Amino acid sequence: NAGVTQTPKFRILKIGQSMTLQCTQDMNHNYMYWYRQDPGMGLKLIYYSVGAGITDKGEVPNGYNVSRSTTEDFPLRLELAAPSQTSVYFCASSSSGTTNEQFFGPGTRLTVL
Amino acid sequence: KQEVTQIPAALSVPEGENLVLNCSFTDSAIYNLQWFRQDPGKGLTSLLLIQSSQREQTSGRLNASLDKSSGRSTLYIAASQPGDSATYLCAVGVGGNTPLVFGKGTRLSVIA
Repeated sequence: NAGVTQTPKFRILKIGQSMTLQCTQDMNHNYMYWYRQDPGMGLKLIYYSVGAGITDKGEVPNGYNVSRSTTEDFPLRLELAAPSQTSVYFCASSSSGTTNEQFFGPGTRLTVL
Repeated sequence: KQEVTQIPAALSVPEGENLVLNCSFTDSAIYNLQWFRQDPGKGLTSLLLIQSSQREQTSGRLNASLDKSSGRSTLYIAASQPGDSATYLCAVGVGGNTPLVFGKGTRLSVIA
């Protein structure tokens, strides 16, 4: 199992550009999450999904969109990049069992200039 | 709203020392608590998961305890090694398969 994979690893965007951060998991997990981590801070939830076709906002959703068309994939879309979106983005997943243990991808480091 | 605090923010210890990292949370109605390790520029590695009905979990030199009533968890690292140097994050799950609420982490340096 590859676990949770994210692409790209690094990206530099100009203000106003758009991009999609990819996240794929091969553990057949129903639940998937997007967090962002700013320097010296903990992770904050952007969006999450409880299954294909179902998504919900987290603490900091503004400027982002998500979709969940398959169990495996949960892409995060930035439409109009702003410097405030410079951060490290982590995708995670968990199964529908009882433990709620979350497994994280390696992250995407995004800089908006 | 659940809030998670980790103290200290940074800690430096000599190799071989036993140490304790602290995590506190404001709402005791949690589902579970997870400790992660994060190396610089890397992702999060899950170390220990404690369910709300458990008091502690152990893995090798690591022991995590949970006291729900006081809103606290500790991560005990025995016989620390330079390879333990990393940031340790505490995160609380407020329900089954709900997003985690994270603390800001403790940055640990173990000096050889």
